[in-house]
Order: sequence, then structure tokens, then C-alpha cells
Amino acid sequence: DIQLTQSPSFLSASVGDRVTITCRASQGISSYLAWYQQKPGKAPNLLIYTASTLQSGVPSRFSGSGSGTEFTLTISSLEPEDFATYYCHQLDSYPSTFGGGTKVEIK
Amino acid sequence: EVQLLESGGGLVQPGGSLRLSCAASGFTFSSYAMNWVRQAPGKGLEWVSVITSTSDTTFYADSVKGRFTISRDNSKNTLHLQMNSLRAEDTAVYYCARKGIVGGSNPLDYWGQGTLVTVSS
Repeated sequence: DIQLTQSPSFLSASVGDRVTITCRASQGISSYLAWYQQKPGKAPNLLIYTASTLQSGVPSRFSGSGSGTEFTLTISSLEPEDFATYYCHQLDSYPSTFGGGTKVEIK
Repeated sequence: EVQLLESGGGLVQPGGSLRLSCAASGFTFSSYAMNWVRQAPGKGLEWVSVITSTSDTTFYADSVKGRFTISRDNSKNTLHLQMNSLRAEDTAVYYCARKGIVGGSNPLDYWGQGTLVTVSS
């Protein structure tokens, strides 16, 4: 099974900061990676798919990059509504797997 | 508007069974693969199972293989998850999610609001 390791697991940042989250896969997954945002008590929301394609309606301050085994999610300038938990998700093979999550909190 | 509405969660004793349902609307249900994803209280997301649009193929997480069965009824736009031999560690919010048809990776583009399953005596 493919393992996804996210880092950091917790991140404290201020409004306006540039934030980068990393997701490493235990084996190559090409670009079959998605990123989701989840707020407390809510379902996850798709941000990025195929590693770097922005889902419709998602603000352009979100971006993704990477391929193979290393991927990043970047928020160029943190907004108050961005404080949430972020998950990477591999869709290369089954069983599908999620990263452990990165909680972004207000400094 | 795409909508996914889960139901069937509740309190069940260890070793018991429960059947979850997910009613889909706002899209052509029979054209999309569907997934179940769960989240234990205070924990991260765990992928559970997927079924193809025509039900010809299913996959399961190792943690539920042999105990859970995913199925769908395209005539009723409904997805199901039959959960048997439930354990305390199956306690979670269970989400149904549509596997999109975009790009090559087909991510989970729409999610329901979730239904809580609690396994406890």
C-alpha cells in the first residue's frame, strides 16, 4: 500500500503569511494526487487535483506542485478563512490513501 | 446542484451490523464511481471503499476487507455500505464521496455531510 507522509502536522501562521505543506509518497504516484481542505464539523472540500490543477471556484492563492513522490501545497497569502486542516490524497492505486493532515492555526 | 445525503448511522454494539445509505441527486449517478471515506473522532481521513459506476469492481481498505460491503442501486441513485462485525475502532463519521471525471486522477469532488457511527457497548 502507498503511504503518504504530510509535514508539518501542525503549523502556526499569521494572516498574509506564505504557507507550504509537503506530502511525500512511499512510492511514485505520477501526478495522481489531490489536496483537500477541511474545517471543523464539515466535509472535506477539494482544492487541487492532478497535483497542480486548481478546482473550479478555489481561490488562486492556492497552488500545488510536484510529481512522483514529493508534492507541495502552497497558500501564497493566508486569509482568515484558510485556517483549517489540509489533507493530501493519492489516487494512483487502490487502496487509496490520505496523508495524516496538516492543521493550520492562527499564530 | 450535486447533493449527497448519508443516512443510517447510529449506536451499535461491538459485533453488530449497520447499513449506511447515500442518496445522490443533481448529477447522473450511474456515470460516476462512488467512495466511502471515514473519520474517527479527532483523527484524519481514512479511505474505506470504492465501487465503479456499473458495480463491476470494488476495492476496500485492509481494515474493513471481509467485514464491509459496498453496493449501489443506479435505479434509485443510492449508494450503500453494509458493515458487519463492527468494532470499536470503526467508530467514525462516514462520508460518501463522488469520484469526479476530471483530468487523469479523478479526485473526490463532491462529499456528503457525513453520518456518525458509534460502536460501543
